Amino acid sequence: KNEVEQSPQNLTAQEGEFITINCSYSVGISALHWLQQHPGGGIVSLFMLSSGKKKHGRLIATINIQEKHSSLHITASHPRDSAVYICAAPMYSGGGADGLTFGKGTHLIIQP
Amino acid sequence: SAVISQKPSRDICQRGTSLTIQCQVDSQVTMMFWYRQQPGQSLTLIATANQGSEATYESGFVIDKFPISRPNLTFSTLTVSNMSPEDSSIYLCSVVLIRSDTQYFGPGTRLTVL
Repeated sequence: KNEVEQSPQNLTAQEGEFITINCSYSVGISALHWLQQHPGGGIVSLFMLSSGKKKHGRLIATINIQEKHSSLHITASHPRDSAVYICAAPMYSGGGADGLTFGKGTHLIIQP
Repeated sequence: SAVISQKPSRDICQRGTSLTIQCQVDSQVTMMFWYRQQPGQSLTLIATANQGSEATYESGFVIDKFPISRPNLTFSTLTVSNMSPEDSSIYLCSVVLIRSDTQYFGPGTRLTVL
């Protein structure tokens, strides 16, 4: 069963700063997910990536399959980026049809 | 992408009662999952909802407590039975679209048990 570790658990930064959140997992997988959860509880899928790097606006996600490690970066951070960021990996065999196991999340606060 | 609706969006229930949560998707999907997020905790997989057969439950979750139905490719229900305050959580369904590996999450059902 996959285990997912995330760091840091809490992060407070000033508007404009470059943010990095790290995620490591224990079992080889086909793809890793980055999710965003806002205070109301709704979850949005940000990225699913299996290799290299993906970019969407100011968000960048990278993954190193050999090292079982992924990072989520936010450039030019803004208070509206304040949310909980969660990484998630397939629970068992690493296939796309698996349920997910989740990191504990990184609670990000961007101050104006 | 997929549009997923969950009903109810929130509810307050009395101890000992049961609540059924519905998950409806606007596209045909291969996989449907039910997750729970207890206050201050990370999401945990309850079970995989299998079409036309019994759900596959994760360790710590049993059918008598969380019966699940999935009568077709776009709809599933999760019942939280004989509720106690410890069942107060957000319950989320997620789906995997046909020919996709991405999981899409429903808006969640916030349950409070008094």
